[in-house]
Amino acid sequence: GAGVSQSPRYKVTKRGQDVALRCDPISGHVSLYWYRQALGQGPEFLTYFNYEAQQDKSGLPNDRFSAERPEGSISTLTIQRTEQRDSAMYRCASSLGEMNTEAFFGQGTRLTVV
Amino acid sequence: QKEVEQDPGPLSVPEGAIVSLNCTYSNSAFQYFMWYRQYSRKGPELLMYTYSSGNKEDGRFTAQVDKSSKYISLFIRDSQPSDSATYLCAMRSIQGAQKLVFGQGTRLTINP
Repeated sequence: GAGVSQSPRYKVTKRGQDVALRCDPISGHVSLYWYRQALGQGPEFLTYFNYEAQQDKSGLPNDRFSAERPEGSISTLTIQRTEQRDSAMYRCASSLGEMNTEAFFGQGTRLTVV
Repeated sequence: QKEVEQDPGPLSVPEGAIVSLNCTYSNSAFQYFMWYRQYSRKGPELLMYTYSSGNKEDGRFTAQVDKSSKYISLFIRDSQPSDSATYLCAMRSIQGAQKLVFGQGTRLTINP
């Protein structure tokens, strides 16, 4: 596609429910990253992939958060048993390779846990 | 203390003014320094990137890195209303791949 596509754009869920956020990176981009951005803050790193391999998941807050990219393209970030503190903008980015300096960000998924 | 500190502003200046945006950082391993621009309801977009110390100029934008002081700056000359956005500094180490560490962002408004 022309850019990084994330879906849904907005997600409201009840506390305790599981949610899955989807990222479709730019075609041909090897590296894919997940960030979380709270209102008025900069993005905070969660995890990243090269192809289908998860290279670093040190930013995932706890074991309720997981991510996968099974075929090296589309990625899913899953949050289990959501809590109100999980409410934030979740942003995906992709780049040609991990040493490429330019990562292109998607428009994000705004998650609200009520 | 955060690894990257950035004054959130807001900063409001008249059209045509020179704007100076700054970040300080604490991790001496950071080697790549970026400035992202983020318009409302949009994702961040890369504006400038600098490796190690020095200056880089691109049109009306100049990025400066002073590693000895752990201080980076972005200057915008002849500022335009279309420059109104949030500016985020970001940085990473050589080993850090794209594990970018962002500042809080400075909200900038250019008044016509």
